[in-house]
Amino acid sequence: GEDVEQSLFLSVREGDSSVINCTYTDSSSTYLYWYKQEPGAGLQLLTYIFSNMDMKQDQRLTVLLNKKDKHLSLRIADTQTGDSAIYFCAESIKLTFGTGTQLKVEL
Amino acid sequence: DAGVTQSPTHLIKTRGQQVTLRCSPKSGHDTVSWYQQALGQGPQFIFQYYEEEERQRGNFPDRFSGHQYPNYSSELNVNALLLGDSALYLCASSLINAGQGSYNSPLHFGNGTRLTVT
Repeated sequence: GEDVEQSLFLSVREGDSSVINCTYTDSSSTYLYWYKQEPGAGLQLLTYIFSNMDMKQDQRLTVLLNKKDKHLSLRIADTQTGDSAIYFCAESIKLTFGTGTQLKVEL
Repeated sequence: DAGVTQSPTHLIKTRGQQVTLRCSPKSGHDTVSWYQQALGQGPQFIFQYYEEEERQRGNFPDRFSGHQYPNYSSELNVNALLLGDSALYLCASSLINAGQGSYNSPLHFGNGTRLTVT
């Protein structure tokens, strides 16, 4: 199977919280990353977490890591229309990216 | 402080031709990774260069080759182009922390080169 898996699509209302999930297979990954990609652009690093942490908060972004289940999530608080994009999780050993989750924010 | 820069931004080639894409890493970074992103897909890892050598390679054929120069800039070469090579090619730079298990610092991406093969 794939090294990193994500759900393909998420739709939320403006102002709500968004939660994007990711599972990975390589337990030796030192970093796990979240990237954002807007149409026609490259990938923007949003945040990352060390594998020895359970949680990291950065303004509206919260990353949760469950090492036992190899599950990573990205929570975006007070989601705005400007958050509409594709979000990718990635791991640092094989430099593998997930398939991406398209986030659509509706008014 | 310049980020990762890639050239050209767009390129159109014919099947069977060869192409060279270029990348300059972010200041202070020593490692360059190349990715292929087909439309609607996630980035697929091609290879990574560190100290002018290929450090890791993904599942891509030998038609894909690269080079890293002493100033850390890098090139991606693709020979005998196929229609299926049409994609966005992304370059990312990072710093190898060789003292702690040789892991990559977070990757910083350029805006990519859009290659169309006709």
